[in-house]
Amino acid sequence: NAGVTQTPKFQVLKTGQSMTLQCAQDMNHEYMSWYRQDPGMGLRLIHYSVGAGITDQGEVPNGYNVSRSTTEDFPLRLLSAAPSQTSVYFCASSRRGFSATEAFFGQGTRLTVV
Amino acid sequence: AQTVTQSQPEMSVQEAETVTLSCTYDTSESDYYLFWYKQPPSRQMILVIRQEAYKQQNATENRFSVNFQKAAKSFSLKISDSQLGDAAMYFCALNNAGNMLTFGGGTRLMVKP
Repeated sequence: NAGVTQTPKFQVLKTGQSMTLQCAQDMNHEYMSWYRQDPGMGLRLIHYSVGAGITDQGEVPNGYNVSRSTTEDFPLRLLSAAPSQTSVYFCASSRRGFSATEAFFGQGTRLTVV
Repeated sequence: AQTVTQSQPEMSVQEAETVTLSCTYDTSESDYYLFWYKQPPSRQMILVIRQEAYKQQNATENRFSVNFQKAAKSFSLKISDSQLGDAAMYFCALNNAGNMLTFGGGTRLMVKP
């Protein structure tokens, strides 16, 4: 199905481990972003990209890295997992920014750091 | 910085009745966009309705409508003829930078049969 695909859907990490959350979209969207969802706090922006080769920090970027080598893919890397990074992570994309067009979200990744 | 506040952590409504979810926001911009997203237990984020700040007319999508009060910075969602499938988390969101959505903390809506 067309849309935004996130993998994995669930993951358990030990403190200090690293991993990459994958995000791919097949809609040729320029804008992609990563959010984390914590109870009572809604979704908070981690990093975003307005096109291949261009990334920027959002509200809560510490402990995460991103890159955008292609239009389709926008992986999120956890360098050294901490229990505070236990959360649900969402990837989203849109054609030219959230103001004018609908943002499409992936199904989310539930990450637990023990 | 922009902020979005949803003051109702939980709401309940009887099936077929009407419910209103509240949202207030703060931004220094004059041009921006407001959204309501629905998140059912499947976790999928679904756009319910969108409002452009420069448009005075309130947006409507079938049973969903908004009451947009720009001066008061208020953006409430009204759901008419509530259905069991409306039960979900609802998030209010604001965008004024073109690249970033700011979300409220969410309201969990329960629908009683």
